[in-house]
Amino acid sequence: AQTVTQSQPEMSVQEAETVTLSCTYDTSESDYYLFWYKQPPSRQMILVIRQEAYKQQNATENRFSVNFQKAAKSFSLKISDSQLGDAAMYFCAYSKKTSYDKVIFGPGTSLSVIP
Amino acid sequence: DVKVTQSSRYLVKRTGEKVFLECVQDMDHENMFWYRQDPGLGLRLIYFSYDVKMKEKGDIPEGYSVSREKKERFSLILESASTNQTSMYLCASSELAGGRYEQYFGPGTRLTVT
Repeated sequence: AQTVTQSQPEMSVQEAETVTLSCTYDTSESDYYLFWYKQPPSRQMILVIRQEAYKQQNATENRFSVNFQKAAKSFSLKISDSQLGDAAMYFCAYSKKTSYDKVIFGPGTSLSVIP
Repeated sequence: DVKVTQSSRYLVKRTGEKVFLECVQDMDHENMFWYRQDPGLGLRLIYFSYDVKMKEKGDIPEGYSVSREKKERFSLILESASTNQTSMYLCASSELAGGRYEQYFGPGTRLTVT
C-alpha cells in the first residue's frame, strides 16, 4: 500500500529566509503524481505545487520549488524568501496515475514564520 | 475560479443525532470527495463519488454514508453521531485536464459531537 510520511510535525523559519519541508513516500508504481498542499489557519486548502513522476525536472512555482528524488522516494518543498502569509499546515500527497482520484495525504507539517 | 462550498463552518451535535454535511461545487466536476482531517493523521478519505448516484468507499467509511443526487452536490451523512466522529470534515472536487490533476477543497466543517 502507498504511504506518505512527513517527519517534521512543526517547523519555523525567519521571514525572508529559506525553509525546506521533507516528505517521503512509498510506492511500486513508476508513474504517479506528487503534490504539496497548503492549509492556512481557518482557510481553504490550496494546491501549491504538482510533480509528475516521469518528469525529471523539478517543478517550480514562484518562491516554491521541489526536490524530487525518485529513486530515494523523496519529495521535499523549498520555500524561498519566506513571508508571513506562508504560515500554514503543509501536506504532502501522492496519487497513482491509474487511479488518480485516490489521493493519499501525509500527516502534515505546521510551518510558522517569525517576523 | 472553482468554488467548493460547505453548508456549515462549525457544527455542534449530540450523540445519536443524524447529521448532514452538505457540499456544493460550481465547476461541473464529476468527482467529489469527503475527507476527515485529524491532527497527526492528515486527511483520510471517507467516501468519493465519480458520478451522480455513484459512490465508492474510501479508507474509513464506517459510521458514514453519502448521497449524490445532483452532480454539483455531495452530502455526507452520519446516521447516529458519536463522539469519535468529532473532527474537521473537508469536501473536495477534482478535475483532470490536459494531464494536470488537481483537487479543489471547501473551507471545512468543524463538527463537535457531545
